[in-house]
Amino acid sequence: KAGVTQTPRYLIKTRGQQVTLSCSPISGHRSVSWYQQTPGQGLQFLFEYFSETQRNKGNFPGRFSGRQFSNSRSEMNVSTLELGDSALYLCASSLPGGPIDEQFFGPGTRLTVL
Amino acid sequence: GENVEQHPSTLSVQEGDSAVIKCTYSDSASNYFPWYKQELGKRPQLIIDIRSNVGEKKDQRIAVTLNKTAKHFSLHITETQPEDSAVYFCAAGYNFNKFYFGSGTKLNVKP
Repeated sequence: KAGVTQTPRYLIKTRGQQVTLSCSPISGHRSVSWYQQTPGQGLQFLFEYFSETQRNKGNFPGRFSGRQFSNSRSEMNVSTLELGDSALYLCASSLPGGPIDEQFFGPGTRLTVL
Repeated sequence: GENVEQHPSTLSVQEGDSAVIKCTYSDSASNYFPWYKQELGKRPQLIIDIRSNVGEKKDQRIAVTLNKTAKHFSLHITETQPEDSAVYFCAAGYNFNKFYFGSGTKLNVKP
């Protein structure tokens, strides 16, 4: 099976712009989670989607949003970009085997905000 | 919210020695504890996990122990090899795939 894929892999934006990142889960996986990884804060949970519904969210401002489509692909959007949003954004997918499942990570999108 | 503390932040061992990384968590509602290995420039890869109803799990050279009462869990790597060098993350998970991660341990295995 193909692994989790993310597009684009690299992105450069300027402050105030918005950005949309995409994640395609492993075939058959219906849960998609998003994480922000920075050297200072480590891996931080953004939100999780299952069957097009957000089931959980972390402690990020409303500028960070996401959605999931009927084919389980997911997008996350960051509006009004700030310098501090520069990070590696990882998505992870999992099977709906239970209330909590093994996460398979994608390669990430490296976002740089200038 | 949950707080996961991971120690040490860096660990250097000689090839063949054992390595131990420890994590503590604060919320007793956490019920799933995975460990990930992340090599430079690559995605995190699950190496072992343990659920809250189990005290210990082993997979070849890797083992994880969980003490629910004390709210801590540990990763043990025996007979370390240079290819074990990477950053290791622990995590505490809640229902519906919400995870809190430790800050990471950079393991260096010297040949």
